[in-house]
Amino acid sequence: GAVVSQHPSRVICKSGTSVKIECRSLDFQATTMFWYRQFPKKSLMLMATSNEGSKATYEQGVEKDKFLINHASLTLSTLTVTSAHPEDSSFYICSANRGSTDTQYFGPGTRLTVL
Amino acid sequence: RKEVEQDPGPFNVPEGATVAFNCTYSNSASQSFFWYRQDCRKEPKLLMSVYSSGNEDGRFTAQLNRASQYISLLIRDSKLSDSATYLCAVANSGGYQKVTFGTGTKLQVIP
Repeated sequence: GAVVSQHPSRVICKSGTSVKIECRSLDFQATTMFWYRQFPKKSLMLMATSNEGSKATYEQGVEKDKFLINHASLTLSTLTVTSAHPEDSSFYICSANRGSTDTQYFGPGTRLTVL
Repeated sequence: RKEVEQDPGPFNVPEGATVAFNCTYSNSASQSFFWYRQDCRKEPKLLMSVYSSGNEDGRFTAQLNRASQYISLLIRDSKLSDSATYLCAVANSGGYQKVTFGTGTKLQVIP
């Protein structure tokens, strides 16, 4: 069964609004979660590493003020796309390591469309 | 040079065929290797981890060549349901470290 959930699965919003996406680990604690973005027919691109109780680590070229990450508990990380624009339309996927392994389990993804 | 490189394909193969994908990685310190499968508009799902000794799971065989820095995935007796994009992934060390994904290889199995 699923080990990581995401909500919402799909969101359509107007340009300039902010959108919050939740990522939850089910039945396990995740001190670290990862946020990816995937454009159509492109690879997964890591945006940031979400660390419980501390600041997220952003990849080069990802604006931390644009993509706000909060990892307030051991089972929940949120990504907020602030002042979304059409170019932010993408498939956003989170993942978490279950146990002390490198294997990442992915959430089902959130498809964001900004009009 | 990209950290992880794959032939994007697509690979169009008939049912029952054997198909092989390769993936090269640039960091010789890489420790962990994986193959994921991603269906259209879905999240990636772990297919198998790749071990130095090679490993097999039914029709799927994964191998690692550290000297040449590549991993491979062999699919025997292809099924229509194998049609998907296959992503290789590499982690540089144990623990909660960043995993880098290749761009994926698209496989289309034709009846």
